[in-house]
Amino acid sequence: GQNIDQPTEMTATEGAIVQINCTYQTSGFNGLFWYQQHAGEAPTFLSYNVLDGLEEKGRFSSFLSRSKGYSYLLLKELQMKDSASYLCAALDSNYQLIWGAGTKLIIKP
Amino acid sequence: DAGVIQSPRHEVTEMGQEVTLRCKPISGHDYLFWYRQTMMRGLELLIYFNNNVPIDDSGMPEDRFSAKMPNASFSTLKIQPSEPRDSAVYFCASTPGGEVYTGELFFGEGSRLTVL
Repeated sequence: GQNIDQPTEMTATEGAIVQINCTYQTSGFNGLFWYQQHAGEAPTFLSYNVLDGLEEKGRFSSFLSRSKGYSYLLLKELQMKDSASYLCAALDSNYQLIWGAGTKLIIKP
Repeated sequence: DAGVIQSPRHEVTEMGQEVTLRCKPISGHDYLFWYRQTMMRGLELLIYFNNNVPIDDSGMPEDRFSAKMPNASFSTLKIQPSEPRDSAVYFCASTPGGEVYTGELFFGEGSRLTVL
């Protein structure tokens, strides 16, 4: 079956760095997405990786290893507004998005 | 440009009533998706359309759920009759694309449904 695993909840301190991991098992693979979802709001796109390596976008970076079925989202210089759920989603060979349950990130001052 | 527009934002209804949720995708987007989100089950794809044609409705829970897309700028998700277990946030999302889509979805603000 197809599966996405990510931690349920993480806590970090304002100004610090946090890494949210995601492992996936899909029938074929056409890319890995990260979305951010604030409480009571819709998910918004953060990043897309299809090739191995690190993609940096400001304070956020996303890494992919296709051979390991692994990705992480790295958030630097954490701000209180980064408190949100972070959803990992993989695009399978049929271009279906397989979603993880999300990681709730709590930022403490 | 306006984003994906959903209505109503909140709906409270009684068990057995019909519920209709509406969505206007971003102009020019070929794909439209209906998702349901709950704490227990996370984001679930219910159905998606490509150029107004339903492509995959395998996520629709049962015959009580139906979705239509009569034109490129409007879609509805209907639940009849509604049950308390249908309580959830229903998201509509759209994305541009040709034969396949890239996966970057633009979500509406959601319709929060409570069935008493």
